[in-house]
Amino acid sequence: GENVEQHPSTLSVQEGDSAVIKCTYSDSASNYFPWYKQELGKRPQLIIDIRSNVGEKKDQRIAVTLNKTAKHFSLHITETQPEDSAVYFCAAMDSGGYQKVTFGTGTKLQVIP
Amino acid sequence: KAGVTQTPRYLIKTRGQQVTLSCSPISGHRSVSWYQQTPGQGLQFLFEYFSETQRNKGNFPGRFSGRQFSNSRSEMNVSTLELGDSALYLCASSLAIPDTQYFGPGTRLTVL
Repeated sequence: GENVEQHPSTLSVQEGDSAVIKCTYSDSASNYFPWYKQELGKRPQLIIDIRSNVGEKKDQRIAVTLNKTAKHFSLHITETQPEDSAVYFCAAMDSGGYQKVTFGTGTKLQVIP
Repeated sequence: KAGVTQTPRYLIKTRGQQVTLSCSPISGHRSVSWYQQTPGQGLQFLFEYFSETQRNKGNFPGRFSGRQFSNSRSEMNVSTLELGDSALYLCASSLAIPDTQYFGPGTRLTVL
């Protein structure tokens, strides 16, 4: 089955700096890679996603890059703000027609004002 | 549109009991997935239902089961509860397969 590794597990950055979270996956058939943000006590919320036919996607301060050959994808947050503090999960979706998502173990991001 | 809802939000049970959790997906969404979230194991996939059929199942014992009704609402059941079953149980719905999943607020289950 799919295996998703996520690094780092914790990340502290100064407000205004950039943050990068990296994930690798094992199943070359995976073709959909969402990123979720989970604030303390709240549900995971989709912040950005990318499909395997695209190498990069950007949405304001958030961008995701995908390297299919190396089987890794990354989340980039620029100009970080205190409200970006949360746990971020990457995920890879099995493309076999079923909705089976494998999540990374999460990165706790702390933005220091 | 109303989001994904889950009931109850909190539940306390004792070992050996069973529990049923409910999930109502976003209107029009036919796929419902269930996840277990614990501090140590992160988000782990339990199972996924589409049009009342279980299409995928994670690596959980047979004590964990679920079903989906014709209106896409889903329930999951855990029998013979163990202390290790204490977790946040999240359901997520999506319009198509594969597609963006929208999570509910979760049910916090505590097993004493």
